[in-house]
Amino acid sequence: EVQLVESGGGLVQPGRSLKLSCVASGFTFNNYWMTWIRQAPGKGLEWVASITNTGGSTYYPDSVKGRFTISRDNAKSTLYLQMNSLRSEDTATYYCTRRIRGYFDYWGQGVMVTVSS
Amino acid sequence: DIQMTQSPSFLSASVGDRVTLSCKASQNINKYLAWYQQKLGEAPKLLIYNANSLQTGIPSRFSGSGSGTDFTLTISSLQPEDVATYFCLQHNSWPLTFGSGTKLEIK
Repeated sequence: EVQLVESGGGLVQPGRSLKLSCVASGFTFNNYWMTWIRQAPGKGLEWVASITNTGGSTYYPDSVKGRFTISRDNAKSTLYLQMNSLRSEDTATYYCTRRIRGYFDYWGQGVMVTVSS
Repeated sequence: DIQMTQSPSFLSASVGDRVTLSCKASQNINKYLAWYQQKLGEAPKLLIYNANSLQTGIPSRFSGSGSGTDFTLTISSLQPEDVATYFCLQHNSWPLTFGSGTKLEIK
């Protein structure tokens, strides 16, 4: 059974940093691209970052480029999201997802990040 | 960026109704569209990929159609457990973009 379990969320002040983790199980982690997607409270879904199966390439929308860094440790089947210079508009539930042929077939339960003073 | 427009934003229908949700792309995305169902307090679940392919384990009352810029998700006979918000996703080009969602309720 595919499982994605996020951790590392919480309350953080504007301008500070936070690192999210996602532990994957039930599939061969290093065969798949992985992606973070977020959802602000009561809002829609926003793609945040993607990484190739080897970690050799990463992709970001302009809204987080230069502030967020996606990475992975294939030996630990773990995906990361380093978030720097956090803003109030980064407040959201962050989902770890498995990417297959462009779309996302499995999602974690999500982890909440609140940016507030 | 490709804009995804979903309509209607809100839909109320009766059990057993045939329900149609629309998703329109601002430019050609070929067949690279997926549909997701999100129930309250849960993570989204993949229903349809590549516009018309049913994900494993999803009931056959769900179907997708379309290509290019116009896409449709159809529920052939609405069930109480289908109450949810439905999102479309284009994965034709970066940045990947979602529609704003259609909230579906039972009348």
